[in-house]
Amino acid sequence: DAGVIQSPRHEVTEMGQEVTLRCKPISGHDYLFWYRQTMMRGLELLIYFNNNVPIDDSGMPEDRFSAKMPNASFSTLKIQPSEPRDSAVYFCASIRDNPTGELFFGEGSRLTVL
Amino acid sequence: QKEVEQDPGPLSVPEGAIVSLNCTYSNSAFQYFMWYRQYSRKGPELLMYTYSSGNKEDGRFTAQVDKSSKYISLFIRDSQPSDSATYLCAFYTGRRALTFGSGTRLQVQP
Repeated sequence: DAGVIQSPRHEVTEMGQEVTLRCKPISGHDYLFWYRQTMMRGLELLIYFNNNVPIDDSGMPEDRFSAKMPNASFSTLKIQPSEPRDSAVYFCASIRDNPTGELFFGEGSRLTVL
Repeated sequence: QKEVEQDPGPLSVPEGAIVSLNCTYSNSAFQYFMWYRQYSRKGPELLMYTYSSGNKEDGRFTAQVDKSSKYISLFIRDSQPSDSATYLCAFYTGRRALTFGSGTRLQVQP
């Protein structure tokens, strides 16, 4: 059973460029989450979807960030234009609807903006 | 005041030691209490979860929750070098999104 799949694993880009991160959740999971992890701020929730519909995007830092989930098996997180302070590891996670809250994380996309 | 406080460490212990990791929280709405383990360059994975105050044991790991003090702990007995990782406490209100601590980095020296 495949886990959450993220791509790319590593991305190095220059300030001002557009960055697109991709995620394939575990089949059958109802919720999909995007988190960002930095040394300074730890693991922060950016946005989450339920059945492909965005539920809470209050963690999205600013208008430069956008996320979509066109179908149950694919989501993107886009940063345009990127800035050095966006450098972080971005995690996608998914969960089946249950009360215990066990998230299944992907291996993350490490973004470096020069 | 931050919603969750967790000492970032690093915490370095010799193999075989008992490790104690702790978090405090301020949100009374938290219903489930979890510990995630994150190895270097990997995503976090669930280690233990508990709902009520008290202790829950799983092998060498014991999770302890004190709701009255808003304090949770994870104890690792007979620590092994393979336990070297970052441990994140996590809290769940039922809103489907977890709130994480910043993580404590643990190094178990052989």
